[in-house]
Amino acid sequence: KNEVEQSPQNLTAQEGEFITINCSYSVGISALHWLQQHPGGGIVSLFMLSSGKKKHGRLIATINIQEKHSSLHITASHPRDSAVYICAVLIKAAGNKLTFGGGTRVLVKP
Amino acid sequence: ETGVTQSPTHLIKTRGQQVTLRCSSQSGHNTVSWYQQALGQGPQFIFQYYREEENGRGNFPPRFSGLQFPNYSSELNVNALELDDSALYLCASSLEGAQNIQYFGAGTRLSVL
Repeated sequence: KNEVEQSPQNLTAQEGEFITINCSYSVGISALHWLQQHPGGGIVSLFMLSSGKKKHGRLIATINIQEKHSSLHITASHPRDSAVYICAVLIKAAGNKLTFGGGTRVLVKP
Repeated sequence: ETGVTQSPTHLIKTRGQQVTLRCSSQSGHNTVSWYQQALGQGPQFIFQYYREEENGRGNFPPRFSGLQFPNYSSELNVNALELDDSALYLCASSLEGAQNIQYFGAGTRLSVL
């Protein structure tokens, strides 16, 4: 079993819809990252969380440390949001090495 | 713009060859990690360097090796390339004292034929 699990693996939405991506992990972590990867490969860090909630524009990320769960929400989705969204955790026992989920491929149709 | 530059962006090699991928980080970023991302999968940790010494390694064979230089650049070397080495290779660097914030390069896409 992977230490970081994401769901769904694929998601298709219509422009304007509210999107939620989930991430569950099974180990103690010091921080959790949400990353965005567009076709072509480059990864952009969206959020780093260790507790609570963060908001940036139409993106909201939440984390529940007790439940070992985080969600990334996209409000009023737009075709330019189409990308792979990756959850990655910094495992306490493993120093600063990121362990990644498998990613969620999001397609927003106009 | 993350300040982390990888070169080349794309590379084609044949089985058995050797390859060197490069990563240039921001000044003061003395920790660099390398990741391999196969098509359709999440990145996998290869190894990390801190102050020019290897500081942890994932489940990759010894033919994957690295170097980190005092000018905040680093290399990933892969010997005896195999077809399964075809992937996107990402480097990420972080600043001393803020090592939980990693800045990613755009990656090098390696194709092994």
